[in-house]
Amino acid sequence: QKEVEQDPGPLSVPEGAIVSLNCTYSNSAFQYFMWYRQYSRKGPELLMYTYSSGNKEDGRFTAQVDKSSKYISLFIRDSQPSDSATYLCAMSQPTGTASKLTFGTGTRLQVTL
Amino acid sequence: DTGVSQDPRHKITKRGQNVTFRCDPISEHNRLYWYRQTLGQGPEFLTYFQNEAQLEKSRLLSDRFSAERPKGSFSTLEIQRTEQGDSAMYLCASSGLTSGGTSLFGPGTRLTVL
Repeated sequence: QKEVEQDPGPLSVPEGAIVSLNCTYSNSAFQYFMWYRQYSRKGPELLMYTYSSGNKEDGRFTAQVDKSSKYISLFIRDSQPSDSATYLCAMSQPTGTASKLTFGTGTRLQVTL
Repeated sequence: DTGVSQDPRHKITKRGQNVTFRCDPISEHNRLYWYRQTLGQGPEFLTYFQNEAQLEKSRLLSDRFSAERPKGSFSTLEIQRTEQGDSAMYLCASSGLTSGGTSLFGPGTRLTVL
């Protein structure tokens, strides 16, 4: 079993819809949680970064972390065709010196006109 | 400084050849990471440097792989005697105080082994 599970999709939604992307994890030592967006054949781009449990909002994006359930979510409001990409969740432990990331497989999102 | 850069962006090689990739991190970042990403998968951690010291290596990093960061700035990743299974995107990331501890990625080097 992988440490981080993520539905690979693809997920297809119409423009303007609210998108919900999710990951579950098994390692309770994870404290830092990130969402990256990756366009085809490009490097991952950091979208959201949260520490421990709670919510964080940035524009159309909201990240939620529920450590008791080992479950994280990314919500995208008013989705746009330009949001079409693969969304990767990532997490790390507070080791003090390293912050290597453990990723999910990524969810491919397609926003249609 | 415009971000993490990687060179080359694409590399096609024949099985058995050696290849070397370069990563230039964001200048004020002291941590540098290499990841490998295959089609349909998330990036997998390979190795990590803090300044010039290589502090951690994944078991994915076989003895055909070697990474260096000689002066704590740019890094190279060399693969010797390439195999078809080495075909992947090789991603470099860096982090430091100015990134709040988060890792910022380069565009990647796509390796195809024929």
